Amino acid sequence: AQSVAQPEDQVNVAEGNPLTVKCTYSVSGNPYLFWYVQYPNRGLQFLLKYITGDNLVKGSYGFEAEFNKSQTSFHLKKPSALVSDSALYFCAVRDIERNTGRRALTFGSGTRLQVQP
Amino acid sequence: KAGVTQTPRYLIKTRGQQVTLSCSPISGHRSVSWYQQTPGQGLQFLFEYFSETQRNKGNFPGRFSGRQFSNSRSEMNVSTLELGDSALYLCASSSQDVGLADYNEQFFGPGTRLTVL
Repeated sequence: AQSVAQPEDQVNVAEGNPLTVKCTYSVSGNPYLFWYVQYPNRGLQFLLKYITGDNLVKGSYGFEAEFNKSQTSFHLKKPSALVSDSALYFCAVRDIERNTGRRALTFGSGTRLQVQP
Repeated sequence: KAGVTQTPRYLIKTRGQQVTLSCSPISGHRSVSWYQQTPGQGLQFLFEYFSETQRNKGNFPGRFSGRQFSNSRSEMNVSTLELGDSALYLCASSSQDVGLADYNEQFFGPGTRLTVL
């Protein structure tokens, strides 16, 4: 079974400081990892993904994420936070189960990022 | 291109009723997925359709069903509504090719807010 964990319900950071939103995963095959952001009263927006290749993935709005296979992590980062980055962030993993071929996209519980001016 | 549209945006029903939600994907997208989002359970996968075929299904009771039409528009139906079905239902479309469906990001609609009284 696959799973994805976001250990922090909320992350607080001052504007201009670097931010990290943590995500760890557990899959049976190769992981396809995604980050999405949700602003109030809106659907989710795609930020970035890791499929294969370089461990450091760059995405929208200056966000990047580092894939670490040994630690099974895919933390979201940004060098300098903006107040407008305040939102709900979701990590997701797509796993293809070897035995069944079942494909599932599982989302983490979400982390609320609060950037203070 | 127009984004993913969902209708209606808000819906109020009473226990025992049934409801049908509609989703129109981005033009050219053939994959449509549905998710339920609640404060307590987070974002949970309902089902995924590709070219009118259900490709994947989450762990929801049989009261939750869906279908996809030849124009890729999708509907989901919930019968015998329960209070716990109150949630934001999100639809997402993705990919023009089943071979890429696992790797491509999803584009979400704004959701339908269902309230069951």
